[in-house]
Amino acid sequence: GAVVSQHPSRVICKSGTSVKIECRSLDFQATTMFWYRQFPKQSLMLMATSNEGSKATYEQGVEKDKFLINHASLTLSTLTVTSAHPEDSSFYICSAKIPDRGGEQYFGPGTRLTVT
Amino acid sequence: QKEVEQDPGPLSVPEGAIVSLNCTYSNSAFQYFMWYRQYSRKGPELLMYTYSSGNKEDGRFTAQVDKSSKYISLFIRDSQPSDSATYLCAMRNFNKFYFGSGTKLNVKP
Repeated sequence: GAVVSQHPSRVICKSGTSVKIECRSLDFQATTMFWYRQFPKQSLMLMATSNEGSKATYEQGVEKDKFLINHASLTLSTLTVTSAHPEDSSFYICSAKIPDRGGEQYFGPGTRLTVT
Repeated sequence: QKEVEQDPGPLSVPEGAIVSLNCTYSNSAFQYFMWYRQYSRKGPELLMYTYSSGNKEDGRFTAQVDKSSKYISLFIRDSQPSDSATYLCAMRNFNKFYFGSGTKLNVKP
């Protein structure tokens, strides 16, 4: 299967600061990447769909100015949580879809963000 | 009504048992069906991917899709303690994915 990496795996930051999370597809080019948020014991909540070279499409209720997504290359998408607050503490997971293949979506290992 | 319904469990079985995990869905336009396994504090791992109705087998895992009933299943034969995880079903329509809430499985040695 395809490999997707995320960095960092864990981050602790102070309230009011910004945090950047990177998502990379290691052995394929991903024109589309997805960013999810997962609360404990809950399923994945799609935050946004990131397309290379264009603006991300955000899901309803997700603040685009707070969660900045950049997909500058076919192997890298970044999520920046701006002016983080404790309620932003969560598990953030990215995924990538292999172009021209059906429904397969490969996930990164996730990033646990804790805002103090 | 949610697009995808999945029993959250937890489901507890003895080692060696056959496990059946299920999801129902409401949108007949879903074309692709997937099962993911997620260990605690890890990203989901793709287990099975199917396109059409019928069965697909991979080792101890069998995925079954019944489009007429809008029902998908994942069977795990000879379950092992290492299978203990949360299993997510997922479906795709065009470029949008829909996930079930996940079923937590515990296989007791």
